Amino acid sequence: GNSVTQMEGPVTLSEEAFLTINCTYTATGYPSLFWYVQYPGEGLQLLLKATKADDKGSNKGFEATYRKETTSFHLEKGSVQVSDSAVYFCALPVSSGSARQLTFGSGTQLTVLP
Amino acid sequence: DAGITQSPRHKVTETGTPVTLRCHQTENHRYMYWYRQDPGHGLRLIHYSYGVKDTDKGEVSDGYSVSRSKTEDFLLTLESATSSQTSVYFCAIGVAVQETQYFGPGTRLLVL
Repeated sequence: GNSVTQMEGPVTLSEEAFLTINCTYTATGYPSLFWYVQYPGEGLQLLLKATKADDKGSNKGFEATYRKETTSFHLEKGSVQVSDSAVYFCALPVSSGSARQLTFGSGTQLTVLP
Repeated sequence: DAGITQSPRHKVTETGTPVTLRCHQTENHRYMYWYRQDPGHGLRLIHYSYGVKDTDKGEVSDGYSVSRSKTEDFLLTLESATSSQTSVYFCAIGVAVQETQYFGPGTRLLVL
C-alpha cells in the first residue's frame, strides 16, 4: 500500500534560516499529498496540500511541490520564525476499505531559536 | 475551524476501568476517525467510521471499540483500560471530496 518516509528530526534552526523537511512517498497512482503541523499541546492542523503531480501547495510562507519524478513532497520555507516551532507530518491517503484513510510520516520536530 | 470537539480533554483512570471518549462534529461529515499518538510511533489509526452504525478497524484496534449512533458523535471505548493505553487520542473528520482530514484538539489519557 501507499507509504511515506519523512526526514527524521529534530531540526534546530536560527530565526530567518531556510527550512527543508524531506518527504518521499510510495504510492499507486497519484494520490493527494499533505503536510500537517502540530503545535505544542494541540491537534494536527492541515498546513498545505497538493492534489496532482507538479502542483505546489503553499500556506503561511511554507511551500511543497508534488514531484512525481522523484516521488517527493519536500516542505520548504525561506525564513523561519520562532512561532514555526512545531512538529511537521507528511501524509497521503491509503485508500483502503470503505473510507479514505491517511498514513502519516513519523513527524519532524522543528525548533527555531531567536 | 472544522467544528470538532473532544471530551474529556484530560482524564486519569485506573487499570481495569472502562473509559469512553467522545468526539463531536458540527458539520455533518460522513467519515470520522480515532487515532492515538505516542512518542516513537507517530499517529496510528484505531478505528474509523464511514456512516451511522458503519465502523471498521484500523491498525491498532485491539482493546478498543467504537460506536456511531448519530452522524455528529463518534465514541471510543476502552473496555478495560491498561497502562499501555496511556496516550493522546485524536479524533478527525474526513472531507471526502477534498481528500482531507481535520483533527480535534485531543484527549490526554493516563491509565495508572
